[in-house]
Amino acid sequence: QVQLQESGPGLVKPSETLSLTCTVSGGSVNSGSYYWSWIRQPPGKGLEWIGYIYYRGSTNHNPSLKSRVTISVDTSQNQFSLKLSSVTAADTAVYYCARLGTNTWQMYFDYWGQGTLVTVSS
Amino acid sequence: EIVMTQSPATLSVSPGERATLSCRASQSVTSNLAWYQQKPGQAPRLLIYGASTRATGIPARFSGSGSGTEFTLTISSLQSEDFAVYYCQQYNNWPPYTFGQGTKLEIK
Repeated sequence: QVQLQESGPGLVKPSETLSLTCTVSGGSVNSGSYYWSWIRQPPGKGLEWIGYIYYRGSTNHNPSLKSRVTISVDTSQNQFSLKLSSVTAADTAVYYCARLGTNTWQMYFDYWGQGTLVTVSS
Repeated sequence: EIVMTQSPATLSVSPGERATLSCRASQSVTSNLAWYQQKPGQAPRLLIYGASTRATGIPARFSGSGSGTEFTLTISSLQSEDFAVYYCQQYNNWPPYTFGQGTKLEIK
């Protein structure tokens, strides 16, 4: 059973960089069959895909977040990470990591972490 | 970007009855559509992918249908544990993958 677990600070100051890590167990980020993704959900609102990374390091992200997003992978630790720069209160959300298939017909999120709330406030 | 629109925003149904939730895409997503269930304080759970295939461990009372721009999630006989928020997600045209705004299924 694949499990994902987010970790990182729950409070970030405006204009600073949000940093989160997702640790994968029961599976390997080295798998060529999956992308490893970040999704967020502002309190009381819907889901927004942030981006994904492949084990070889290639990434894709939501154009709405422009160039603020950096996603990296550490295959030795079976982890992947998110950095979101220049945060504002609008970035306050529960952040989820999730697994995504690499073939178009499999690009649904089948395993999710439990989520971590990140609040942007001074 | 493909916009996913779910209706209704809130659906009130009695236990044991059938619930029908709708999802519309702003352009065709063929059958590349998934449904998720989210309970308070929990991560979303995959229910349906490929518009109509149940994910592992999902009860048979959940069924999905549709293709192109119109999709339906049906729960045939509502159990107490089914009251939650349901999201659809398209994965035909990306980036970005996009979700509907959700339908809250509440007890009548």
